[in-house]
Amino acid sequence: AQTVTQSQPEMSVQEAETVTLSCTYDTSESDYYLFWYKQPPSRQMILVIRQEAYKQQNATENRFSVNFQKAAKSFSLKISDSQLGDAAMYFCAYRFYNNNDMRFGAGTRLTVKP
Amino acid sequence: DAEITQSPRHKITETGRQVTLACHQTWNHNNMFWYRQDLGHGLRLIHYSYGVQDTNKGEVSDGYSVSRSNTEDLPLTLESAASSQTSVYFCASSEGTGDFRNTGELFFGEGSRLTVL
Repeated sequence: AQTVTQSQPEMSVQEAETVTLSCTYDTSESDYYLFWYKQPPSRQMILVIRQEAYKQQNATENRFSVNFQKAAKSFSLKISDSQLGDAAMYFCAYRFYNNNDMRFGAGTRLTVKP
Repeated sequence: DAEITQSPRHKITETGRQVTLACHQTWNHNNMFWYRQDLGHGLRLIHYSYGVQDTNKGEVSDGYSVSRSNTEDLPLTLESAASSQTSVYFCASSEGTGDFRNTGELFFGEGSRLTVL
């Protein structure tokens, strides 16, 4: 079974600085998708960024980028120029390409200090 | 705009009672999912459906059931609520796979907080 591990239960960053959230996953498959979701205090789950495993280029979305290391099964999220609105719970998730269900890590709570 | 809505948003019930959480989506997605969120566990899959009349068990399905009579709705039923089922429940939907370009992004409802006393 696929598992997703987020080893940092909590992280903090100073406003305007950069922070990296870690995620590793376990799979025997070669084709899959990886995601980072953000959950602010409102509880709404918001997609931050996605990565297709067959793509070597790391995905970027404005201030958010990933470092995808397929051989190491690592998928970290980098947030640049952190803003107060980035404070949230962040979940890493995995989905095998031919399967519809998604598996989540336990989450990392990010605090942004002014 | 298309959306996915859950009701009720908050519910308190007693042990042993039957509870149903509603989920309605207007995305016209074939796939629908129920997750529960607990501290330290992230989101865990309870049940899912790939289309009308299709239902499947997830990793934590004991004590829960679902039925899919139309595309839009996937209600989650707790047959006899237990304190261990106190949690926040999320419904989600996604487009079907089969097209390799479709990443299967999940669209989530706002969650339903259930407390079982």
